Amino acid sequence: EVQLVESGGGLVQPGESLRLSCAASGFTFSSYWMHWVRHTPGKGLVSVSHINPDGSSSSTSYADSVKGRFTISRDNAKNTLYLQMNSLRVEDTAVYYCARSSDWCLDYWGQGTLVTVSS
Amino acid sequence: QSALTQPPSASGSPGQSVTISCTGTSSDVGGYNYVSWYQQHPGKAPKVMIYEVSKRPSGVPDRFSGSKSGNTASLTVSGLQAEDEADYYCSSHAGSNSGYVFGTGTKVSVL
Repeated sequence: EVQLVESGGGLVQPGESLRLSCAASGFTFSSYWMHWVRHTPGKGLVSVSHINPDGSSSSTSYADSVKGRFTISRDNAKNTLYLQMNSLRVEDTAVYYCARSSDWCLDYWGQGTLVTVSS
Repeated sequence: QSALTQPPSASGSPGQSVTISCTGTSSDVGGYNYVSWYQQHPGKAPKVMIYEVSKRPSGVPDRFSGSKSGNTASLTVSGLQAEDEADYYCSSHAGSNSGYVFGTGTKVSVL
């Protein structure tokens, strides 16, 4: 059974950092593109970042709103996806999901982890 | 990348049909047959209901169908049931460097 389990969310102040993790199981993690998507009541779902199967930095992409502040990475030996979030802003407050890409869609999603940025 | 445009809300009575539109550009919806639709219940993770414009994943009822014409894709839910009440988001591939772009979301209510 495919499972994606996010962790690392929490309450931080503006300007601080967090690292999200997504533990994958039930499939060959190293064969799939992986994504981070965030959800807020006001903006809905927004794609944050994605990374290619082998994790080369040349095949990563970021939303303009997080470029230069967030870094996506993966450890295929540990079947884990990461999102390093620096210089956090109030507007980064959201539930963050990791998701697997297959057949040109996001076919499996984690349960999400809440990030709250507030002073 | 700008969000795809969806109506904020749609509704229907049990047994009726509802259709949700999703309008993009030639750089996303119109440029690829890679439109997908996601159902999200409050507090839950999104679930893919349609992929590659009109394909249904295993386990999704055939009451859900998708189509596309030009820069606009559509999701139709036939025979509405109470459990179909949820938020629905479209998404499209937007090029190798852009990943996926999502729609603004539509809240479907079953009256």
